[in-house]
Amino acid sequence: SQTIHQWPATLVQPVGSPLSLECTVEGTSNPNLYWYRQAAGRGLQLLFYSVGIGQISSEVPQNLSASRPQDRQFILSSKKLLLSDSGFYLCAWSARDPLYEQYFGPGTRLTVT
Amino acid sequence: AQKVTQAQTEISVVEKEDVTLDCVYETRDTTYYLFWYKQPPSGELVFLIRRNSFDEQNEISGRYSWNFQKSTSSFNFTITASQVVDSAVYFCALSEASSYNTDKLIFGTGTRLQVFP
Repeated sequence: SQTIHQWPATLVQPVGSPLSLECTVEGTSNPNLYWYRQAAGRGLQLLFYSVGIGQISSEVPQNLSASRPQDRQFILSSKKLLLSDSGFYLCAWSARDPLYEQYFGPGTRLTVT
Repeated sequence: AQKVTQAQTEISVVEKEDVTLDCVYETRDTTYYLFWYKQPPSGELVFLIRRNSFDEQNEISGRYSWNFQKSTSSFNFTITASQVVDSAVYFCALSEASSYNTDKLIFGTGTRLQVFP
């Protein structure tokens, strides 16, 4: 069966510090991968998605970036965090064919101080 | 433009009551998918159901049922005999196909359901 991991689970970082969140998927090949952010008490905002290694599409301009160095690894990064980057970050995967539901990881709760 | 509206921000019920969560969507596509996800306090989104635009049959899974009506662009979710464990935020979502061979989900803002004992 497929499993999706995210780490760390929680993170407290000062403004201006770098960020690296990692997501890995097990039990599937060639997945589509997604990064979402959920601000406190709000809905989900799609940040990035990837259909393959090195292929990243950005949905919202911001100081975040994403990379996919391996088929089942998706990394969310920032060089300098802003207060507004605080939130709950969720990674998700979906099968490439057919295109159906997305399955989410446990999330990373980021607090920028 | 594609959009999902969950007008109910928060609902509170007492255990064993039935509760319906509303979802209204907008899309120009003739082929699309609708989803419901549950987000318990732990934070992880749990997939509940997928429905494609060509299948308007209602679905029942245990205490959960879904009513899909294209005529009113609605995909409502009913929990029968609610339990405390049903307390969570529930999200309705709509798929958006694109030429990039990916399935982007458009989420509603969610409905927080609190079930009291």
